[in-house]
Amino acid sequence: DGGITQSPKYLFRKEGQNVTLSCEQNLNHDAMYWYRQDPGQGLRLIYYSQIVNDFQKGDIAEGYSVSREKKESFPLTVTSAQKNPTAFYLCASSNGDTQYFGPGTRLTVL
Amino acid sequence: GQSLEQPSEVTAVEGAIVQINCTYQTSGFYGLSWYQQHDGGAPTFLSYNALDGLEETGRFSSFLSRSDSYGYLLLQELQMKDSASYFCAVGMTTDSWGKLQFGAGTQVVVTP
Repeated sequence: DGGITQSPKYLFRKEGQNVTLSCEQNLNHDAMYWYRQDPGQGLRLIYYSQIVNDFQKGDIAEGYSVSREKKESFPLTVTSAQKNPTAFYLCASSNGDTQYFGPGTRLTVL
Repeated sequence: GQSLEQPSEVTAVEGAIVQINCTYQTSGFYGLSWYQQHDGGAPTFLSYNALDGLEETGRFSSFLSRSDSYGYLLLQELQMKDSASYFCAVGMTTDSWGKLQFGAGTQVVVTP
């Protein structure tokens, strides 16, 4: 089955620690995206990539970093510079008009 | 800049019809999409309008008026499982291909 996987589903981290969220897709999509969602809010774009070895900042990139070494993979690192990282993180891929989302990772900073 | 407006919440009874409006302001526009998200879940694609008019997919329909910068999602024959958040999203010609700007979402509450 084709789809997008994210791991882990729940993640706890101490303040000051970096953490990496995984996102893998086997849909053969060129474009991939990372969003942050806070309770009762919409989706805010963190980073996106339209091709391997290239990525662009979204609206709220500060405190985050990404890499795109393979078409299938687009990991997101939440660094200690992100002041309020507790949120629901969603990864998506696209074939143009439609974005397909992974199940999300809920990150809690203790 | 870009902005999208949609109501924060709509409540309706089973079997009713609900219309969720979305108005947008963008520097360029190529299409309006709608996504559904159940509590704690991932958004899933519902519909897409690039041209003016109505698109129908089962109980759900979506409408777009480019001249009015306005669209809506129509949910018919509401079922309890339709209780979810619904997001409109615009794709912009001045922005990167496939990138979307999402609205804040409308929570639809279906009551028995």
